[in-house]
Amino acid sequence: DAGVIQSPRHEVTEMGQEVTLRCKPISGHNSLFWYRQTMMRGLELLIYFNNNVPIDDSGMPEDRFSAKMPNASFSTLKIQPSEPRDSAVYFCASSLSRQHEQFFGPGTRLTVL
Amino acid sequence: GENVEQHPSTLSVQEGDSAVIKCTYSDSASNYFPWYKQELGKGPQLIIDIRSNVGEKKDQRIAVTLNKTAKHFSLHITETQPEDSAVYFCAANLPTGFQKLVFGTGTRLLVSP
Repeated sequence: DAGVIQSPRHEVTEMGQEVTLRCKPISGHNSLFWYRQTMMRGLELLIYFNNNVPIDDSGMPEDRFSAKMPNASFSTLKIQPSEPRDSAVYFCASSLSRQHEQFFGPGTRLTVL
Repeated sequence: GENVEQHPSTLSVQEGDSAVIKCTYSDSASNYFPWYKQELGKGPQLIIDIRSNVGEKKDQRIAVTLNKTAKHFSLHITETQPEDSAVYFCAANLPTGFQKLVFGTGTRLLVSP
C-alpha cells in the first residue's frame, strides 16, 4: 500500500526561478495538507484542501506561493519567483477525512541559492 | 490562536530507561492531541494520539496523558531502545472543523546503547 508520494525529493534552484513541488495523496483520502518545515519556524501548515477544494490557505506566506489540486490524486505547490528564504523541507500529508489521522509524505528538500 | 510549547528540546537517555516529553497548549477548545515521530530524512509519522474525552492512552511501550484543566499533555516511552532515537513532535488541533494542527517545536531523543 503506497503512502503519500512526493517529487522531487531534492530540488536545488537559483533565486528567481520557478519551483513546482508535486504530491500524490493516498488513494481514497479526500483531505490534503501542504506543510513547510524549517529550523526557525518548525512545522507550519501552508494550505489545506478538502475534496480538491482549497479550504484554508491562511498559512501561505505570500503571493509567490500557489497551490492547486486538479483532481483527487494530484496536487502541486508552486513558488514563483523563488527566494533563498524559501529553502526548507516541504511536506504533503493526506487524511481519510477532515477529522482523521494525517499521513505525511517523505518531503521535498528545497534549496534556493 | 493556538500555541503549543514543547519541552525539553533534547533528551538523552540510556537504553532501557524511560523518556518523558511534555507539551502545553493555549486554546481550551482543542480536543485532539497527536504525537509524531520523525526520523532523519523522513516525514513525521503518527505514533499515538489522544482526544479530550480520555485522560490516558497506551500502546505497548508508549503512553500519552492529558490534563485538560492544566492544558498539558505528555508522551511517555518506557524501556527505550536505540531505534526510538528520533525527533518527536506534539500537536494540538484548532477547532476549525478540520484537522488543522499546530505543532510543538520538537524534542530530539537520543537513546544510547
